[in-house]
Amino acid sequence: DAKTTQPNSMESNEEEPVHLPCNHSTISGTDYIHWYRQLPSQGPEYVIHGLTSNVNNRMASLAIAEDRKSSTLILHRATLRDAAVYYCILRGANTDKLIFGTGTRLQVFP
Amino acid sequence: DAGVIQSPRHEVTEMGQEVTLRCKPISGHNSLFWYRQTMMRGLELLIYFNNNVPIDDSGMPEDRFSAKMPNASFSTLKIQPSEPRDSAVYFCASSRRGLTAHEQFFGPGTRLTVL
Repeated sequence: DAKTTQPNSMESNEEEPVHLPCNHSTISGTDYIHWYRQLPSQGPEYVIHGLTSNVNNRMASLAIAEDRKSSTLILHRATLRDAAVYYCILRGANTDKLIFGTGTRLQVFP
Repeated sequence: DAGVIQSPRHEVTEMGQEVTLRCKPISGHNSLFWYRQTMMRGLELLIYFNNNVPIDDSGMPEDRFSAKMPNASFSTLKIQPSEPRDSAVYFCASSRRGLTAHEQFFGPGTRLTVL
């Protein structure tokens, strides 16, 4: 399974944009890039996913580098409720498996 | 939609006892996943089913663990006999295969403590 590398922790102030980086230099051509987050005392929840093009949804934006070896999850305006562990995961096209790493713990300050 | 339902939410048992965790996936979903989360090992996939059939159980730690999915609306994860190192939060997740297969929906988890 291709691996991802994320910073252990990041901080942000409320209402500021947050850019969460993820490196995946061994990504294969058919691997999807997924982001999930886990709020305290809850199960993980899906945030966004992409393959090659940048993606936007109501929660966040996903910017994928042209060589696909890195990506960035963008929260446009952080709120206190966005404080969570964010996981960047690669998923092969022919599998349903998600392999979670250690993620980035995001702290949001008022 | 009620989401993925797990029971019990908390379980405290003694070493050697049998433990059964239960999961009801979201109606219409045909993939089901069991995960375990600990501080030491993080979030690990134990096993997953497609259309009630086990597809990959490579994450099941040992023979003391078994999982079944007798129908599309119910799954169990059983530990027999339980050991203190099995203490963890166990999550069940479900998804719909196909165009929306990328999104897994997680339940609230069962916190298991084995004394």
